Amino acid sequence: DAGITQSPRHKVTETGTPVTLRCHQTENHRYMYWYRQDPGHGLRLIHYSYGVKDTDKGEVSDGYSVSRSKTEDFLLTLESATSSQTSVYFCAISDRDRGETQYFGPGTRLLVL
Amino acid sequence: GENVEQHPSTLSVQEGDSAVIKCTYSDSASNYFPWYKQELGKRPQLIIDIRSNVGEKKDQRIAVTLNKTAKHFSLHITETQPEDSAVYFCAARGGSNYKLTFGKGTLLTVNP
Repeated sequence: DAGITQSPRHKVTETGTPVTLRCHQTENHRYMYWYRQDPGHGLRLIHYSYGVKDTDKGEVSDGYSVSRSKTEDFLLTLESATSSQTSVYFCAISDRDRGETQYFGPGTRLLVL
Repeated sequence: GENVEQHPSTLSVQEGDSAVIKCTYSDSASNYFPWYKQELGKRPQLIIDIRSNVGEKKDQRIAVTLNKTAKHFSLHITETQPEDSAVYFCAARGGSNYKLTFGKGTLLTVNP
């Protein structure tokens, strides 16, 4: 599955606590993305990265921050988790030089109580 | 930004019938249109894609058509099988960026 892993795979946390999700790839793809998936909303882009230290906001970025200090890792941080951030989070990677298909990680299921 | 509408939201067919899912997009500069299949509890996986310089593409029982003038594209699945049951997502990529905008998904149920 395109050498993408996400950690943790499941997490339960309390409102107000910080949470960091990790996406790790072994494919050396340039682009990395964080999506959230909620019933009735499909996949919505939170943040994306087009290179090391190069990131930008997606359509639902409020309450989230990201960092990419290495090609292989893309971190998503919820600064102060809220119940509305309960969701399934997917990381994806792509590379225009290799056909631009986005490949998804296995997902992280986050529950904020 | 890009907006992608997908219909229907649910689709139920009998095994062996055809299924058609339709999407429209708003950005006339969009040039790449993938379709993803997501089984319950799994990650989305690409099943077929089409670029704006092509009107139709087939892969065995799956085909995608694109009408650039009308800004819509469709997924066609023939001879459906129970294992085709899943949620299907369409997406569009704008002409000047590398982001995908997804439709809200179609739950396809194939009844034996």
